[in-house]
Amino acid sequence: AQSVTQLDSQVPVFEEAPVELRCNYSSSVSVYLFWYVQYPNQGLQLLLKYLSGSTLVESINGFEAEFNKSQTSFHLRKPSVHISDTAEYFCAVSSGTYKYIFGTGTRLKVLA
Amino acid sequence: KAGVTQTPRYLIKTRGQQVTLSCSPISGHRSVSWYQQTPGQGLQFLFEYFSETQRNKGNFPGRFSGRQFSNSRSEMNVSTLELGDSALYLCASSLGLAGRSGELFFGEGSRLTVL
Repeated sequence: AQSVTQLDSQVPVFEEAPVELRCNYSSSVSVYLFWYVQYPNQGLQLLLKYLSGSTLVESINGFEAEFNKSQTSFHLRKPSVHISDTAEYFCAVSSGTYKYIFGTGTRLKVLA
Repeated sequence: KAGVTQTPRYLIKTRGQQVTLSCSPISGHRSVSWYQQTPGQGLQFLFEYFSETQRNKGNFPGRFSGRQFSNSRSEMNVSTLELGDSALYLCASSLGLAGRSGELFFGEGSRLTVL
């Protein structure tokens, strides 16, 4: 079985400050890991993904995440956030025939 | 290429009624997954359909059901609605089984309010 834990339900941060959104997973097999973002009144859209290869993955809008197998983590980071980054962020895990599982989400609130 | 389309976007029902939601996946995608999103529970997996067969199922009562048609379009039905069924229902499509795919593509959701 698989599970995903996002410990922080809400993260307030000032504009231009760095941010880290935490994600831990558990799985007995190799996994694919994902971060999705949901803006108000919209569906989810993929932000970045780890399938294999380099453990550091980046998105086009400055976010990055690092797959850490020993700590079973896939934390999302951005060195300098903008007001437009305010959204809810979901970590997800999938593996072969297992279901695609989402965490409970972290609301990022960027303050001016 | 059109994205995932969900209809209706908003609907209001009363307790005891039933509701049917529709999802048209991206052309060529064969898998459709359904999720229930509520403020307290986050995204809860309902079920996944692939080639007209239910392949995975979440922990929801039998009042929640679904089906997939030969053109990959999917519907989900909730019977005997309860207040707690008020939620945003999200549909996501993928080329193959969701667990083996690199990405899910989501619709904007159907927001159900049960009075």
